[in-house]
Amino acid sequence: DTGVSQDPRHKITKRGQNVTFRCDPISEHNRLYWYRQTLGQGPEFLTYFQNEAQLEKSRLLSDRFSAERPKGSFSTLEIQRTEQGDSAMYLCASSSGGVVLSGANVLTFGAGSRLTVL
Amino acid sequence: GENVEQHPSTLSVQEGDSAVIKCTYSDSASNYFPWYKQELGKGPQLIIDIRSNVGEKKDQRIAVTLNKTAKHFSLHITETQPEDSAVYFCAASRAYGGSQGNLIFGKGTKLSVKP
Repeated sequence: DTGVSQDPRHKITKRGQNVTFRCDPISEHNRLYWYRQTLGQGPEFLTYFQNEAQLEKSRLLSDRFSAERPKGSFSTLEIQRTEQGDSAMYLCASSSGGVVLSGANVLTFGAGSRLTVL
Repeated sequence: GENVEQHPSTLSVQEGDSAVIKCTYSDSASNYFPWYKQELGKGPQLIIDIRSNVGEKKDQRIAVTLNKTAKHFSLHITETQPEDSAVYFCAASRAYGGSQGNLIFGKGTKLSVKP
């Protein structure tokens, strides 16, 4: 396994269009996270899954955003009716779960999908 | 909610010198503090982390210290090399329950190591 894979790496779209990003986590990881990173800022948490269940969503995840992980493996993040403010790097991360204080649940990030909305 | 402040925003050092990046956090329940390195066009890569049950951790040229009373933690890089040039992010989270992966990141420090 080569790590967390994200596709596409770059997406340019016009305002109002829908876009979808895919994330393939490390195969044995049961937790999957989506983060958003804008230029010059640190990543911001959007949502996370334990297996196929979406357990937490940030207030940043507006109604136009939807994430799925149908079989507990890969995940998709869809943005409907894109706006220029959606332009960002969308990062996916995965982890094995467990108790952090015992050394588990370390997040491994993918290379990200960069979205540009014109 | 948690807030993480990171300083400095840019840091330029000469090759071989040490670099120190400092972060403070606001949520006293946070107990997991990772540091990530991000190179241009790549995702963040974990370089070291520390948990609240220890005060210091070292891995070759990299060390992290944690002061839970003062709610701050620091990254120390010794004998810097040009390949250390990147953006470094600190983060904090609560290491229990459903929020274990909800990392709150600082705004980053752009480190430049001059040969």
